[in-house]
Amino acid sequence: QITLKESGPTLVKPTQTLTLTCTLSGFSINSGGEGVAWIRQPPEKALEWVSLIYGDGTVRHSPSLLSKVTVTKDTAKNQVVLTVTHVDPGDTGTYYCGRLGNSWVGSWGQGILVTVSS
Amino acid sequence: YVLTQPPSVSVAPGQTARITCGGNDIGSKRVHWYQQRPGQAPVLVVYEDDDRPSGIPERFSGSNFGNTATLTVSGVEAGDEADFYCQVWDTDTVHGPVFGSGTRVSVL
Repeated sequence: QITLKESGPTLVKPTQTLTLTCTLSGFSINSGGEGVAWIRQPPEKALEWVSLIYGDGTVRHSPSLLSKVTVTKDTAKNQVVLTVTHVDPGDTGTYYCGRLGNSWVGSWGQGILVTVSS
Repeated sequence: YVLTQPPSVSVAPGQTARITCGGNDIGSKRVHWYQQRPGQAPVLVVYEDDDRPSGIPERFSGSNFGNTATLTVSGVEAGDEADFYCQVWDTDTVHGPVFGSGTRVSVL
């Protein structure tokens, strides 16, 4: 069974760095054909792709977030980590990680609601 | 690449809901659809225009031609009330997934 679970802080202050972890089960991010994406959703708004990483190390970021996000993988722990620097209230929302199919997100985590507020 | 969806669609129980997703020459791309019930994570209901993942009822079907992709939900039930998002993969600029603006389906 494939599962993904997001973890991290639910409240961060403006200008701080947000670090979220996606723990994978049922598949390995170490496999070249596998990929994990981060998608976020501001309250009452649409889904927005943030970043993705493949097992071969390929990384892609949304152009609008390129300057403030990084994504890495920990193959020993089978985790994917998203870092968002200098957060502001516009970064508030639910963050999801998902397993990539050919060009779709086949399985999603439950999501974690992150609020940016002083 | 921009995907345009109507903000809302209303349908009576037992009737058919059609949710459109507009994009420039979207027919040349593979379109995927997600259902997001209130307070829950999205769930893939149709991939590659018209395929269904295991466990998704046949009531959910898709089509894609020209500048419009369509998700059709037949025999709508109260439990189908949700937000629906279309998605394509942008291979030209972002090299990642692009989501539509979302459509809220209300069951009357």
